[in-house]
Amino acid sequence: QVQLQQSGAELAKPGSSVKISCKASGYTFTSYYISWIKQTTGQGLEYIGYINTGSGGTNYNEKFKGKATLTVDKSSSTAFMQLSSLTPDDSAVYYCARGIAAAYWGQGTLVTVSS
Amino acid sequence: DVVLTQTPPTLSATIGQSVSISCRSSQSLLHSNGNTYLNWLLQRPGQPPQLLIYLVSRLESGVPNRFSGSGSGTDFTLKISGVEAEDLGVYYCVQSTHAPYTFGAGTKLELK
Repeated sequence: QVQLQQSGAELAKPGSSVKISCKASGYTFTSYYISWIKQTTGQGLEYIGYINTGSGGTNYNEKFKGKATLTVDKSSSTAFMQLSSLTPDDSAVYYCARGIAAAYWGQGTLVTVSS
Repeated sequence: DVVLTQTPPTLSATIGQSVSISCRSSQSLLHSNGNTYLNWLLQRPGQPPQLLIYLVSRLESGVPNRFSGSGSGTDFTLKISGVEAEDLGVYYCVQSTHAPYTFGAGTKLELK
């Protein structure tokens, strides 16, 4: 069955970076894009962007350009999202999802930014 | 950015009742390729969202057929024909016609 397994919760200091992973299984990894979504209580769900898992090409929401960097390792069927120059506003649950339609979601990774 | 306005924000229902959720877009979601990229998601408490409906009205595999979607252009509706206990949670519409893709604020379905 299709599964997206995300890395565990992160506690980070302001100004630092974190890298979240999303390991896919149960399907051909390069057949679907991977999308990344941010969820907070205040802002709800926000679409960060997606990566073409075959070519590595990316498409970002302008709001997250410079904040998020999406990469992929085809050999391990894993997608990554690095978040840089963290501020408390980056505290959220981050999800990866399969495809732009997001038919399957990872379990979410909680990122907490605090000094 | 496209704004999706969901109503009502909260919906109270009894088991077996039929309910509808509206999603209105600030601009047409008809893509130049003829598709309308409007999906519906359900997020149960403590769970990630799951896809229910894609392309306005197509039922995702494994989703019960008491869920149905309709609409066009800027007005869309999700209907649940006979609410069951497992349907409780927050429903979101999401559009991927126009970048950046955007979500509605959600409709919380709770038991009356």
